[in-house]
Amino acid sequence: SAVISQKPSRDICQRGTSLTIQCQVDSQVTMMFWYRQQPGQSLTLIATANQGSEATYESGFVIDKFPISRPNLTFSTLTVSNMSPEDSSIYLCSARTFLGNTQYFGPGTRLTVL
Amino acid sequence: GQQLNQSPQSMFIQEGEDVSMNCTSSSIFNTWLWYKQDPGEGPVLLIALYKAGELTSNGRLTAQFGITRKDSFLNISASIPSDVGIYFCAVYDYGGSQGNLIFGKGTKLSVKP
Repeated sequence: SAVISQKPSRDICQRGTSLTIQCQVDSQVTMMFWYRQQPGQSLTLIATANQGSEATYESGFVIDKFPISRPNLTFSTLTVSNMSPEDSSIYLCSARTFLGNTQYFGPGTRLTVL
Repeated sequence: GQQLNQSPQSMFIQEGEDVSMNCTSSSIFNTWLWYKQDPGEGPVLLIALYKAGELTSNGRLTAQFGITRKDSFLNISASIPSDVGIYFCAVYDYGGSQGNLIFGKGTKLSVKP
């Protein structure tokens, strides 16, 4: 299994600012992902964080708005840039293990943009 | 994109009752997963199903991977208050190269008033 931690757990931010969310996994994993979950909704994949190269973004998400880094096999960051109230959501880090192809999730970062 | 249809959307449980929910798709998938999400937490993997027809248990939870590979169900026996939460089915969609995990809309379990 993989234990995933995220920082911060929650934040309240002003419109126009940016927030960087950190994700740390307790073991090396093959793939890392970032999801968004709006209140009362299911999870939507933002992007796959690729080690040492640019992230792969899903339709509707762009690098300028959600820059992602993954410098090694256990760590990734997601930045939510130039925030607006519509960005208020839970952002979840996820990782897939080498064995069993099982995907685990962090506790999420609850973001509120005023 | 691919869609998973979960039902029911929500249900109320009374302690001791058995609960059943299911998930269907118009496409074939080779792995079905069931997650539970508690308020303020990330989803936690309950059961993973890798083989069509497979029936797998995890304590009071039982899940089956449909023989057509287009559906799955999750049963909870003798429910207890801590079973409350949102249950998501999920599949790996290999329409792209890496297999993205996609989720159903969830079934919300609440305690009967």
